[in-house]
Amino acid sequence: EADIYQTPRYLVIGTGKKITLECSQTMGHDKMYWYQQDPGMELHLIHYSYGVNSTEKGDLSSESTVSRIRTEHFPLTLESARPSHTSQYLCASSRGQGGPGANVLTFGAGSRLTVL
Amino acid sequence: AQSVTQPDIHITVSEGASLELRCNYSYGATPYLFWYVQSPGQGLQLLLKYFSGDTLVQGIKGFEAEFKRSQSSFNLRKPSVHWSDAAEYFCAVAPSGGSYIPTFGRGTSLIVHP
Repeated sequence: EADIYQTPRYLVIGTGKKITLECSQTMGHDKMYWYQQDPGMELHLIHYSYGVNSTEKGDLSSESTVSRIRTEHFPLTLESARPSHTSQYLCASSRGQGGPGANVLTFGAGSRLTVL
Repeated sequence: AQSVTQPDIHITVSEGASLELRCNYSYGATPYLFWYVQSPGQGLQLLLKYFSGDTLVQGIKGFEAEFKRSQSSFNLRKPSVHWSDAAEYFCAVAPSGGSYIPTFGRGTSLIVHP
């Protein structure tokens, strides 16, 4: 029973197209994250949010942008996709308050993007 | 900043054999430590976590991990592996203050032979 949903699961598009990867969670979590995952590599944090109207860039520089207008929704957008953007994108969430539970992440199933 | 090292890219074991996956971390204080598992085509699922107290923690699916401060390690173990355990395993470390955002290792791929 997924509490965090990502769509589309798979997307193949041409260079130059604008794409939006959707992420929604039903747990009321304040914090949300986007990680980029490539085979054999660490999960790289590219964006995160502490709550509505809060967005921060992560450790890995990314040409993507995010928005957080509603607590449950954290979409990621690429204005002009390139082959270098081909990757798997994982969305996650955690409760926002401090303490140990704040960094227990719940992940979505991922969106695998291929740019031709 | 914290970092995580998983020295083994692939581990192959026979079904029924014991398993140990290695994880070393770098962090100035006592961190929060996690193991996640990722099955093909899925997101990551939390196996177990260490916050404080008993250094041997039990998780789901029969897994356990031991925090060894002197070795900066948090190795994952299972006494008898099942074919369904074949997956990618990620160790993660999070600071015990501040942003609390976890940093992940690059993962260890577990292959189980019948």
